[in-house]
Amino acid sequence: GAVVSQHPSRVICKSGTSVKIECRSLDFQATTMFWYRQFPKQSLMLMATSNEGSKATYEQGVEKDKFLINHASLTLSTLTVTSAHPEDSSFYICSARVETGGTGNQPQHFGDGTRLSIL
Amino acid sequence: AQSVTQLDSQVPVFEEAPVELRCNYSSSVSVYLFWYVQYPNQGLQLLLKYLSGSTLVESINGFEAEFNKSQTSFHLRKPSVHISDTAEYFCAVSLNTGFQKLVFGTGTRLLVSP
Repeated sequence: GAVVSQHPSRVICKSGTSVKIECRSLDFQATTMFWYRQFPKQSLMLMATSNEGSKATYEQGVEKDKFLINHASLTLSTLTVTSAHPEDSSFYICSARVETGGTGNQPQHFGDGTRLSIL
Repeated sequence: AQSVTQLDSQVPVFEEAPVELRCNYSSSVSVYLFWYVQYPNQGLQLLLKYLSGSTLVESINGFEAEFNKSQTSFHLRKPSVHISDTAEYFCAVSLNTGFQKLVFGTGTRLLVSP
């Protein structure tokens, strides 16, 4: 159980293009989803926390107009990298947390990530 | 704020040898502790977690970690590693309230050779 699907797994596009990444919880409802960015051989940096039906909470230094997050349902959150440039190239990973009656101590389950390469 | 330190960026070990991956954390409030494993070009998989109760937690594939509050540590151990254990291991903490955002360490690459 607790499977998170992320699509696409890899995308290569030209500079100036907008790219949408989807994150789905397949067998559970996720009120909260998280988006991370990982640079080569480095740790994951939290970009934003996404809550169903409300605006995402962005971490300091993350441009909300650059990285648009939509969490329209309990099983889907999307990250759109607008007008992408080579410096946006990275590995983006989403996670979702199982919500079980408000106990609040469930771990995050991660998607397999999206390798974004901007030419 | 919380922080996590993984002092060893890489740990080489021979197959069937024991291994310990170190993790220390800093927090002024109670936290949850996690170990995640990442294989190349994949997301993270939860290995084990400490929420409360017994300070020794175990995973199904032979790993274990012990929460030591006085030393603020959560080291990961395995008595006998396999080639397939080669991966990146991340220690993480989260508050036990609110959104429970994860703060990750910088990761330790475990390299198991025959």
